[in-house]
Amino acid sequence: AQSVTQLGSHVSVSEGALVLLRCNYSSSVPPYLFWYVQYPNQGLQLLLKYTSAATLVKGINGFEAEFKKSETSFHLTKPSAHMSDAAEYFCAVSDRETSGSRLTFGEGTQLTVNP
Amino acid sequence: NAGVTQTPKFQVLKTGQSMTLQCAQDMNHEYMSWYRQDPGMGLRLIHYSVGAGITDQGEVPNGYNVSRSTTEDFPLRLLSAAPSQTSVYFCASSSDRVNGYTFGSGTRLTVV
Repeated sequence: AQSVTQLGSHVSVSEGALVLLRCNYSSSVPPYLFWYVQYPNQGLQLLLKYTSAATLVKGINGFEAEFKKSETSFHLTKPSAHMSDAAEYFCAVSDRETSGSRLTFGEGTQLTVNP
Repeated sequence: NAGVTQTPKFQVLKTGQSMTLQCAQDMNHEYMSWYRQDPGMGLRLIHYSVGAGITDQGEVPNGYNVSRSTTEDFPLRLLSAAPSQTSVYFCASSSDRVNGYTFGSGTRLTVV
């Protein structure tokens, strides 16, 4: 079964600093990979996705992620954090080989942005 | 388009009561899923469906039933609520495995 690990349940950065949220997946076949963001008391919103086209994927709100097969990683970055980026971020994986579309989530990383 | 609509937004149940969480989408998506979200555990898949009349169990299906009689609706039934089912429940839909899921705004359920 697919699994995804997010390193660091809490990340704190200063406004204007680099944001780096880590995600590693376990699969011998590169899966489809997604990053979602959840603001307080809201549902999840898709930030970006990797589906085997370009390995560097750009998403909404200035976020991007790079797929690295050799490291089985899909880390999320943003060059300059903004106060509005404070939220919980989830990495998720979908298996290419099984039928249907089961999305497996990591445990989430809470991002705090300090003024 | 309304997207994915979940009702109710909040619910308090007594142990042993039953209820149905409603989920409807207007995007003609074939795939629909139910997740529960608990602190520190991310989102865990309860049940999912790949089309009308087809459902399957996810990671944590015990205590929950689903059916998919139409493309639009995917209700989640709690047969006999237990305090362990206190959680936030999210319904989501997708056109395929590539595009990712669109999520509803959630139902916060408390079982006392």
